[in-house]
Amino acid sequence: GAGVSQSPSNKVTEKGKDVELRCDPISGHTALYWYRQSLGQGLEFLIYFQGNSAPDKSGLPSDRFSAERTGGSVSTLTIQRTQQEDSAVYLCASSYGQGRQYFGPGTRLTVL
Amino acid sequence: TQLLEQSPQFLSIQEGENLTVYCNSSSVFSSLQWYRQEPGEGPVLLVTVVTGGEVKKLKRLTFQFGDARKDSSLHITAAQPGDTGLYLCAGSHGAGSYQLTFGKGTKLSVIP
Repeated sequence: GAGVSQSPSNKVTEKGKDVELRCDPISGHTALYWYRQSLGQGLEFLIYFQGNSAPDKSGLPSDRFSAERTGGSVSTLTIQRTQQEDSAVYLCASSYGQGRQYFGPGTRLTVL
Repeated sequence: TQLLEQSPQFLSIQEGENLTVYCNSSSVFSSLQWYRQEPGEGPVLLVTVVTGGEVKKLKRLTFQFGDARKDSSLHITAAQPGDTGLYLCAGSHGAGSYQLTFGKGTKLSVIP
């Protein structure tokens, strides 16, 4: 079956612009996660969605970051007024319940 | 605060050699996972260890969870070029906890 897909695969933007990153989880998976992987760093947890429960936003680094999950499926991570330090690979993962997480290929964001 | 320290950060070896990668923490984890990530892709789960002292083998890969559940190691026997990649360890606190704490990874290059 299809895995987790993310789009775009690469995004180059100018400082101060807003960007939207999309994640399509594996069909039937109830949980969805966003992580950030900066150069030389491990994966940093950003946000977690589980079914219809309120999301865990504890990992979002600032109020410029937000995420939505519509219809319990597709998710969009939005970064407003991008800064150079936002440059990183943004990874999405999904799981059934709190089981094994399956990762997408990521979106590489470059802020000039 | 880096809760999971991985060492070495980089490792370049010849095909056929053996190697060990370490993952250490001052915290106790309920479980620990190892992932491999290749360029342009998301991490892929290799193994989960949950019991102190547990040893798991996956072909030429041997994973061990420390008795105190604070550390883990990954040993590769007779490394192959296909083993090249970024190896990440990730710890979970509490049964069923969805939040994973990742180490920064060990970048392995196996030279033919």
